[in-house]
Formats: sequence, structure tokens, C-alpha cells
Amino acid sequence: GAGVSQSPSNKVTEKGKDVELRCDPISGHTALYWYRQSLGQGLEFLIYFQGNSAPDKSGLPSDRFSAERTGGSVSTLTIQRTQQEDSAVYLCASSSVGYYNEQFFGPGTRLTVL
Amino acid sequence: AQKVTQAQTEISVVEKEDVTLDCVYETRDTTYYLFWYKQPPSGELVFLIRRNSFDEQNEISGRYSWNFQKSTSSFNFTITASQVVDSAVYFCALMGGGADGLTFGKGTHLIIQP
Repeated sequence: GAGVSQSPSNKVTEKGKDVELRCDPISGHTALYWYRQSLGQGLEFLIYFQGNSAPDKSGLPSDRFSAERTGGSVSTLTIQRTQQEDSAVYLCASSSVGYYNEQFFGPGTRLTVL
Repeated sequence: AQKVTQAQTEISVVEKEDVTLDCVYETRDTTYYLFWYKQPPSGELVFLIRRNSFDEQNEISGRYSWNFQKSTSSFNFTITASQVVDSAVYFCALMGGGADGLTFGKGTHLIIQP
């Protein structure tokens, strides 16, 4: 596809379960970003990948959150032992070479933890 | 630490009026980029503009214009002759020198009434 795609679009899970969120960036984009959007916190940066490596993971909210990127393309964000405060829309963005380039966002995954 | 402030949480105007969305930022970086994104009711963030810290020229794109003033750390966005389709949440964002992704403001909800 032409844009960033994310799956699933919606995920409802029970507290304590693990979830995996997937992001397919725009073809050829080397940089990939994860953000979280919630009513209380607004838009928060989580993690950034340049190629397959993430220089700084300190934006992840807790050690229950992890992310990986393989083959310089698809990325997965994993949340272990989900909590109700993890409920949010998780957004993925990608950009072409150059850290300051504009980021193109996907439609997001709405996560609801019951 | 970086910060973006959008003091206007919601603005409502009648169609064809001009409207300005304010953005004030804080950063210690000498090189940084400023962005505006639009989030329509459908939810997907749409890139509008990117500006680097060394270029203070104003920019105009159709009915949209941006005023960057380094002296006041502001990057304001004006829509001329507003239309109902401009109704959305608009986010101002900053990217500095670290691998921290975009720092977003809280957003301004713009309502254009017919």
C-alpha cells in the first residue's frame, strides 16, 4: 500500500493479557516511530527505530512495553500484562532518510483493556 | 526538556472567517524542526508543514499560512476564509536534536460552523 498500515485497527483485551500491535511503514522509509494517544496524556512519543535499531528506549512507559523491528520494515509493539491505563490509540509513523523529515502516520490501533 | 504549548483548546468560528492557531515552544537545541499536523474526525494525522530553526520565512500554501518567530518562540498557523472541511484537531510539534521523536502540543480543536 501507499501509506503506513497498522493492525489490528481495534483490540479489546482483558487486564493481564499480552498484546502485539503491528506496523507496516511506507516502503523505503528507514525511520519508524511509535506514539500513544490518550485523552489524559495527549500524544506521547514511545520509541524510534532507524533501520532495525532503537537508539533510545527510555520513552517506553514501563518494562512491560517492548518493540522490535526486523528487516528494516515491519515493527511490532508488545505490551505484556496489560493494565487499564494502557488503553489508548497506538500510532505508528515512518519517514524517509533524515531524522527531521516529516513523519507519515498510520491509522492507529485502538487498544481497550477491560 | 522540550515543550510545546497550544493554549487554545477549542476555537469555534463561522465559515469564511479567518482563524489563527497559536503555538509556543521551548527547546535548548539550536537546531530543531517545527511541524503542524491535522487530525480530522477520521483520526489519521495528516502532515501540513515542516520548518527548520534557521528558516524564519513565513510560508503560504493556499488558504494556509504559517508565521515562525524565533524571538518569541512561536509558530502560529492561520487559515484564511475557513471552510467546514477545516474542522479538525490541529497539533503543533517540535523535534530537537535527540532521538526523541516529535513532542506534540495538546492540540487545538477547531470547529468551523456553516
